[in-house]
Amino acid sequence: DVKVTQSSRYLVKRTGEKVFLECVQDMDHENMFWYRQDPGLGLRLIYFSYDVKMKEKGDIPEGYSVSREKKERFSLILESASTNQTSMYLCASSRIPYGGENYGYTFGSGTRLTVV
Amino acid sequence: AQSVAQPEDQVNVAEGNPLTVKCTYSVSGNPYLFWYVQYPNRGLQFLLKYITGDNLVKGSYGFEAEFNKSQTSFHLKKPSALVSDSALYFCAVRAYGSSNTGKLIFGQGTTLQVKP
Repeated sequence: DVKVTQSSRYLVKRTGEKVFLECVQDMDHENMFWYRQDPGLGLRLIYFSYDVKMKEKGDIPEGYSVSREKKERFSLILESASTNQTSMYLCASSRIPYGGENYGYTFGSGTRLTVV
Repeated sequence: AQSVAQPEDQVNVAEGNPLTVKCTYSVSGNPYLFWYVQYPNRGLQFLLKYITGDNLVKGSYGFEAEFNKSQTSFHLKKPSALVSDSALYFCAVRAYGSSNTGKLIFGQGTTLQVKP
């Protein structure tokens, strides 16, 4: 019954490595989002995408990029991992609001990334 | 600016007592409001939402929330707390902007601790 799948629950990478975090949803949602979650800072939006090959920067895009080649998959890329990117990363998806309805998000289980 | 505030970092309540987790919001259009819960090392799970209609919204696990337009609040409530309700709770509101993507703005989160 899993609808948003993040490829890894825990990940340990070395400083300077290129890191790929994968997210797949099976609900045919248009929107997909990447957040990072840190204690005391809540959820901070990194990037989001509202269509294939479309992307928009969120609040903290520096050091990250994204790829959305297919509707169901949204990848977060850490170009050169640094220790300050150690965090919990959450992927979410949602439908475009329609007719006054707003559907909210469906979240994946999260990836806890440690950069050493 | 559009925002969500959860004024309490932590709420402590004894099992069997009623609980309230507070949320206030500021948006530039009709408020579409959500509550999510997060258990340790997991993603966020949807609890309930307010779109329109009755100000008292019922959701999962016996939770409910009261929408108050004049106070711009959407407090989460439960008549009788369980130890298993202990978790991190997030309030969210739909963001309004140039693109109607249904992006949500999240509060900082409130840790609920229910003691036996």
